Amino acid sequence: SAVISQKPSRDICQRGTSLTIQCQVDSQVTMMFWYRQQPGQSLTLIATANQGSEATYESGFVIDKFPISRPNLTFSTLTVSNMSPEDSSIYLCSVEPQGARAKRGYTFGSGTRLTVV
Amino acid sequence: EDQVTQSPEALRLQEGESSSLNCSYTVSGLRGLFWYRQDPGKGPEFLFTLYSAGEEKEKERLKATLTKKESFLHITAPKPEDSATYLCAVRSQGGKLIFGQGTELSVKP
Repeated sequence: SAVISQKPSRDICQRGTSLTIQCQVDSQVTMMFWYRQQPGQSLTLIATANQGSEATYESGFVIDKFPISRPNLTFSTLTVSNMSPEDSSIYLCSVEPQGARAKRGYTFGSGTRLTVV
Repeated sequence: EDQVTQSPEALRLQEGESSSLNCSYTVSGLRGLFWYRQDPGKGPEFLFTLYSAGEEKEKERLKATLTKKESFLHITAPKPEDSATYLCAVRSQGGKLIFGQGTELSVKP
């Protein structure tokens, strides 16, 4: 399956600031997904990022708060803007399996644990 | 609207005590049901994909089955290292995954 490098692995940030999370994939993928996992909760999809087009956001998430870049087929960033303590979560990127890897399921990064103080 | 519900929320087993986790789903046209394992502080780790009713997949002590409305993850003779949160997800339109709330499994020696 694809290998995803996600960074930073964790950060503690002041409220009102922004943090950019990076996701690098070892192969070209069409679709990348960004999820949020709040403490003790399951994964909630923030947005789908396709190369060359605007990201598609899920209900409850907006571009001004979570701007996403997708400059090429192996890289994406998620920015958490104007942070508040409620943004404290784990943020994960994921890719859809391609071709021969399709049977191995979606791959996830190791996550970014964000704490806003 | 696509929806996934997992039960129980938490399950405590003694080592060797077999059991099953449930995943009920509602989706307009199943394009795949996925089981993942998640350890604390880590991203989900892929276990199985099921596509059609009647399909079964096995890996070591785990066996996943699928019907038209639900999936089961059977754990046979679990060991403490099987302790983790198990997540079920369905693939929705646009390729995105919709996750259930997860089942936190604890296996005591």
